[in-house]
Amino acid sequence: NAGVTQTPKFQVLKTGQSMTLQCAQDMNHNSMYWYRQDPGMGLRLIYYSASEGTTDKGEVPNGYNVSRLNKREFSLRLESAAPSQTSVYFCASSEEAGVNSPLHFGNGTRLTVT
Amino acid sequence: GNSVTQMEGPVTLSEEAFLTINCTYTATGYPSLFWYVQYPGEGLQLLLKATKADDKGSNKGFEATYRKETTSFHLEKGSVQVSDSAVYFCALRGTGGFKTIFGAGTRLFVKA
Repeated sequence: NAGVTQTPKFQVLKTGQSMTLQCAQDMNHNSMYWYRQDPGMGLRLIYYSASEGTTDKGEVPNGYNVSRLNKREFSLRLESAAPSQTSVYFCASSEEAGVNSPLHFGNGTRLTVT
Repeated sequence: GNSVTQMEGPVTLSEEAFLTINCTYTATGYPSLFWYVQYPGEGLQLLLKATKADDKGSNKGFEATYRKETTSFHLEKGSVQVSDSAVYFCALRGTGGFKTIFGAGTRLFVKA
């Protein structure tokens, strides 16, 4: 059981380049999330998808777009990368969006923008 | 809005020492509280959770009690091992769902 799978694991971009981070889960979860992790700041929510067909902004959505392709897959796109987007990106899923439902995380994508 | 504050690290302990990592929160309504652990190079994993006041979550020797009167959810373990070295995150998921709020994380080093 793979859980949440993210690709790629590492990426280096030049300022202005674009890329898409891929995420897939095999737990039949309804809700999916993208977080970024920066030193001393914990995790901050970029976008989330409460259920297939819906997406909503989190705390730090500027510079990002998302697509919930189907129930399994939720991608994050950087249209024009900036150095401020250097971070570790985590995709997560939960069975549902309710208060008791814990998150299941992938292993992250480490992105460097030069 | 909702927030989580946890003690800054790093925390360095010798093997078999007692561990406490403090966590306090601010929230409206009745949130659920979580501790997640992150080992090097990996994503976060759920360690334990508590969904209502006075609940105690426990797993792998770790415990935390949901204290509404002090708005706290401190993580404890009686005897730490080298393998417990990791970063620990306190988190809150509020009523209205969707958004889990994380503390900044506390790095724990355990020396043999």
